[in-house]
Amino acid sequence: AQSVTQLGSHVSVSEGALVLLRCNYSSSVPPYLFWYVQYPNQGLQLLLKYTSAATLVKGINGFEAEFKKSETSFHLTKPSAHMSDAAEYFCAVTNNNNDMRFGAGTRLTVKP
Amino acid sequence: ETGVTQSPTHLIKTRGQQVTLRCSSQSGHNTVSWYQQALGQGPQFIFQYYREEENGRGNFPPRFSGLQFPNYSSELNVNALELDDSALYLCASSGSSGMGADTQYFGPGTRLTVL
Repeated sequence: AQSVTQLGSHVSVSEGALVLLRCNYSSSVPPYLFWYVQYPNQGLQLLLKYTSAATLVKGINGFEAEFKKSETSFHLTKPSAHMSDAAEYFCAVTNNNNDMRFGAGTRLTVKP
Repeated sequence: ETGVTQSPTHLIKTRGQQVTLRCSSQSGHNTVSWYQQALGQGPQFIFQYYREEENGRGNFPPRFSGLQFPNYSSELNVNALELDDSALYLCASSGSSGMGADTQYFGPGTRLTVL
């Protein structure tokens, strides 16, 4: 079965600094990979998804992620953090689209 | 275009009771998935409905059941509530096109507290 591991339950960066949130996946077949963001007391919002069309995926709000098969990774990056980026971020994987597996989440804090 | 809506927003029940949570899918979507998100954890897949039929189930006991209606809205029913059922329940809809991983659009969730 597929799974994801998010390295680091908490990440803290200064405003304007690089954001790097790590995600490694496990899958026996080519996966579909997603990053979602969750603000307090809200549902999940899709940031971006990988569906094998391109290894570098650009999403909303300046985020992007690179699929690296050799490293089984799909890390999320943003060149310059904004205060509004403070939230919980989830990486997720699916093969067949009816069983999406989420990581435990990474809480991003942005310091002024 | 109306997004995914869920009701109620919050709910408090006692152990042993039954609860029904509701979800209206986004316009044009025929697939609804339900997730349980315990505090401080990622969402866990409960089950998915596609055109009124169950189309996959996660590792949840039979007391978690669901329905999907002809208008593609959905219900999640939980019987014999336990304390560990306290969580945020998320509904997500997608338009199954068979062309790969369809994006799931999430509702705001229902916060269930079991006392």
